Amino acid sequence: GAVVSQHPSRVICKSGTSVKIECRSLDFQATTMFWYRQFPKKSLMLMATSNEGSKATYEQGVEKDKFLINHASLTLSTLTVTSAHPEDSSFYICSARDPSRGAHTSETQYFGPGTRLLVL
Amino acid sequence: AQKITQTQPGMFVQEKEAVTLDCTYDTSDPSYGLFWYKQPSSGEMIFLIYQGSYDQQNATEGRYSLNFQKARKSANLVISASQLGDSAMYFCAMRERTSYDKVIFGPGTSLSVIP
Repeated sequence: GAVVSQHPSRVICKSGTSVKIECRSLDFQATTMFWYRQFPKKSLMLMATSNEGSKATYEQGVEKDKFLINHASLTLSTLTVTSAHPEDSSFYICSARDPSRGAHTSETQYFGPGTRLLVL
Repeated sequence: AQKITQTQPGMFVQEKEAVTLDCTYDTSDPSYGLFWYKQPSSGEMIFLIYQGSYDQQNATEGRYSLNFQKARKSANLVISASQLGDSAMYFCAMRERTSYDKVIFGPGTSLSVIP
């Protein structure tokens, strides 16, 4: 099956710094990627939809200036948490859609392993 | 409004027994897909099973089956012959045909398998 990677898997940073998380599709081209965040013992909350070559679409309540998303190529999307604060500490997961598999098959989205962010 | 409801925050099941995890959903889109994912403590999201809104038969994948009742808008997951490794969080999710096919998740059910 398709593989999605994320880097880094864990990151600890100081309050006020920016952190970049990468999401890569390793064996397919992903025109669309999705970014989620998950707090402990909670569900995945969709943050934004990242589209190659165009601006990301953010979900209601997500600050686009805080969470910068760039989808510069068909295999890479990045999420930058700017001026991170302790409340941004969370588990961030990306998923990638493989358009070659069609819109109604079970395998159209693949999830990365996630990135645990801790802001001190 | 909550689109996906999972009413069981936590469930226990005896090893080798079957267990049903509930999921109800709300959509006005006639074309949609329903998923179940497993998330162990490592955090990875493991795809289990998929049901399309137009599928006539309930989906099955090994020990997993989906009890799809379209009129009731429910998509319960049945795990047969539970194993200790089944202990994890289970999320019901839905993809609507609109807007890039984004997937939204329910609140999840924590399943614990007892030896």
